[in-house]
Amino acid sequence: AQTVTQSQPEMSVQEAETVTLSCTYDTSESDYYLFWYKQPPSRQMILVIRQEAYKQQNATENRFSVNFQKAAKSFSLKISDSQLGDAAMYFCAYRFSAAGNKLTFGGGTRVLVKP
Amino acid sequence: DSGVTQTPKHLITATGQRVTLRCSPRSGDLSVYWYQQSLDQGLQFLIQYYNGEERAKGNILERFSAQQFPDLHSELNLSSLELGDSALYFCASSVARGHRGETQYFGPGTRLLVL
Repeated sequence: AQTVTQSQPEMSVQEAETVTLSCTYDTSESDYYLFWYKQPPSRQMILVIRQEAYKQQNATENRFSVNFQKAAKSFSLKISDSQLGDAAMYFCAYRFSAAGNKLTFGGGTRVLVKP
Repeated sequence: DSGVTQTPKHLITATGQRVTLRCSPRSGDLSVYWYQQSLDQGLQFLIQYYNGEERAKGNILERFSAQQFPDLHSELNLSSLELGDSALYFCASSVARGHRGETQYFGPGTRLLVL
C-alpha cells in the first residue's frame, strides 16, 4: 500500500523568507502523480502544485516550487518570499495514475508565518 | 471558490442517528469523491463515483453509504453514528475518471459533530 509521510508537524518562517516542507512516499509504481494541498483556517482544501512522476522537471507555481527526487521518493515544497496568507496546513498527496483514483495524504505540516 | 458545493456546512447530531451529506460537483465534472478528515485518522479517501456508478472504495465503514444521482450530485449517508464519526467530510470532483493526474477540486466540507 502506498503511504505518504510528512515528518515535520510544524514549521515557522519569517515573512519574506523561504521555508521547505518535506514529504516522502512509498510506492512500487512508476507512473503516479504528487500534489501539495493547502488548508487555511477556513478548512478549504486548495491545490498548490502538482508533479507528474514521469516528468524530470520540477513543477513551479509562482512562489511555490517542488524538489522531486523520484529515486529517493521525496517531494518537498519550497515556499519563497513567504506571506502572511501562506499560514496554513499543507498536505502532500499521492495518486497512482491507473485504477484507484484516490488521493493518499500525508499527515500535514502546519506553517506559521511570523510578521 | 472551487465550484464544488456541499450542504450543510455544519451538522450536530446524537449517537445512533442517521445523517445525509450532499455534494454538487463542478459543472461538467463526472467524478465525485468523498474524504473524511478526523483528528486521529487524518485525511482518508472514502469512496468515488463516476457518472452514477461506484468507481473506487476506500476506508468506508459499512454504516456509511453513498450514491450519485443522474444530475451528478452525490449524497453520503452516515448511519448509527458514533462519537468517532465526528469529522470534516469533504467532497471533491474531477472531470473524468481521475486518470492521468487530473485535478480533484474540493468543496468547503461539512463539519459533523456527534454528541
